[in-house]
Formats: sequence, structure tokens, C-alpha cells
Amino acid sequence: NAGVTQTPKFRVLKTGQSMTLLCAQDMNHEYMYWYRQDPGMGLRLIHYSVGEGTTAKGEVPDGYNVSRLKKQNFLLGLESAAPSQTSVYFCASSYRRTSGGAYEQFFGPGTRLTVL
Amino acid sequence: KNQVEQSPQSLIILEGKNCTLQCNYTVSPFSNLRWYKQDTGRGPVSLTIMTFSENTKSNGRYTATLDADTKQSSLHITASQLSDSASYICVVSPEASGGSYIPTFGRGTSLIVHP
Repeated sequence: NAGVTQTPKFRVLKTGQSMTLLCAQDMNHEYMYWYRQDPGMGLRLIHYSVGEGTTAKGEVPDGYNVSRLKKQNFLLGLESAAPSQTSVYFCASSYRRTSGGAYEQFFGPGTRLTVL
Repeated sequence: KNQVEQSPQSLIILEGKNCTLQCNYTVSPFSNLRWYKQDTGRGPVSLTIMTFSENTKSNGRYTATLDADTKQSSLHITASQLSDSASYICVVSPEASGGSYIPTFGRGTSLIVHP
């Protein structure tokens, strides 16, 4: 199993450009998440999905859009990149939460994005 | 608002020494607490997880404790190694109905182990 993979690993954009980050998981997880990590801020949730065809906003959703057309893929889009979106982006996935249960989020290796 | 506070923000220790990292949370109702290790340039990897009924959990040289009454957790690292140099993140999940919930992440403690 490859686990959680992210494409690309690095990217440099100019202000106003658009791009899509791809996250793929082969563990048949229902839940998928996109986080950004900035120095001193920890991981912050951008958007998440509890199943194919469903998405929801997290803590910092502005400037991002997502889609989950297939269960194994979760796409994060930046329509008009801004320097404030310079960050490291992590995708994660997990099984569906059951009442009283606990599960693990598996993280991808991250995408380092710089917006000039 | 659910919050997770970690201390210290950073810590430097000598190889072979022990250390303890702290996590305080306000997440309610509580479901579980997990400690992750994040190496530089990598994604976080789970070390331990504890539910409400558990007050200690070990994973090799890592031992996590939980006091659900005071809403505190600690991660104790025994006989530290250079490879323990990393960021340690405390994550607390709420109990929620319908199977949909969002965990809250702490900002992490950066540990540096010197030879």
C-alpha cells in the first residue's frame, strides 16, 4: 500500500495563478482532509470530506475549493493564488468515525507551495 | 471554542536524557487524544491514542498519560535518541453524533536532542 500520496511535492506560483493539489489514498478511507501548516501555527484544517461527493469547510477555507469525485481522491484548488497561501499543505485520510470509537488520521508527505 | 495548548513550545535535551511534554485541552465532550510525531519535512505519524477510560498508553520509549478530569495529557520520552528530534503534536477529538466531527490540533512542541 502506498498510503496517502500528494502531488506535486513542490510548487512555485505567481500571484493570481491557479493550481490544483492532488491527494490520493489507497486505504479505502471514507474521510479525507486538507490542512495547511505554517511556522508557529500548527496544522489548520482547510476543508474536509466525509464521503464521495461531499465536502465541508474547515477552520481556514477562504481562497480554496475542494472536490471529492472519487472516494480515493481529494483535490484542493487555488483559483487565484496569494502570497498568504504560501505554506506546506498536508492531506490526511481516516476511516469513518464510529460512536465511541477512535481512529488514526494518516498523513501524506506534504506539498510545499510558494506564492510570489 | 475547542482548544489544545502544548508546552513547552520548544525543548533541547541531551541524548540519553528523559523529557516530558504537556498538553492541556478544552475539547468537550471528549472522545480521544492522540500524540503525533512529525519529523522535519514529513507528515505527522501517530504515536499513541487514548480514549476517556484510558489513563496511560506506551509505545516503546514513549509513554502517554491522560487525566480526563483535569483535561491534561503528557508524553514522556525515555532515554532519548537523536532520532527523537521532531515536533510532537497533541490532537484531541470530540465525541459527536452522526459520525462527523473535527479533531483539534495543538501547535506542537519542537524537541531537539543533542549528542
